[in-house]
Amino acid sequence: DIQVTQSPDSLSASVGGRVTITCRASQDINYYLNWYQQRPGQAPKLLIYAASTLQSGVPSRFSGSGSGTDFTLTISSLQPEDFATYHCQQSFGRAVTFGQGTRLEIK
Amino acid sequence: QVQLQESGPGLVKPSETLSLTCSVSGGSISSSSYYWGWIRQSPGKGLEWIGNVYYSGHTYYSPSLQSRLTISVDTSRNQFSLKLSSVTATDTAVYYCARKGSPCSGGVCYDAFEVWGQGTMVTVSS
Repeated sequence: DIQVTQSPDSLSASVGGRVTITCRASQDINYYLNWYQQRPGQAPKLLIYAASTLQSGVPSRFSGSGSGTDFTLTISSLQPEDFATYHCQQSFGRAVTFGQGTRLEIK
Repeated sequence: QVQLQESGPGLVKPSETLSLTCSVSGGSISSSSYYWGWIRQSPGKGLEWIGNVYYSGHTYYSPSLQSRLTISVDTSRNQFSLKLSSVTATDTAVYYCARKGSPCSGGVCYDAFEVWGQGTMVTVSS
């Protein structure tokens, strides 16, 4: 299986701030990397697919980059509703795998 | 707008079979554009993919669960189901059903879980 590892496990930031979350795959997955947002008590929501393409309706303050094994999710101008857990997921193989999640908290 | 809803027992005894159903509304499960999947999340943990099914009945499963797993589809009811046998406490989790699409970017299509159910908590305990 392809493993994906996120860092950090958690971080805190202020409203209006900017954060970056990293996802690393255990092998080259090209651009087959998705990002999801999960608010407390809710199901995950697709934010970004193909490493950098925003899902319809996702605000432009979210951006993704990377290819191969290293990927980042950046959120600029943090809003109160952005404080949530973020998951990356590789879809290169048929057996998809998720990262362990990164919890973003308000400072 | 398509919606998914999980249903099934919230409590299952160890060694028994966990059974869940996902009902799809606002769209047809027989669409050739999608697979339908199950994902779970143990308390305080990350997401774990369980398996997917196509409307034709074609399936593919997580290697770590495939010996205990059956996912099936009922197109007449617009539903798909999960059965996980010989459960233990480690199978306690929130179980989500989801629609897997293939959105395209730059001429290449990438699999992603685009629509999710709200999730249902299943506890394995005697």
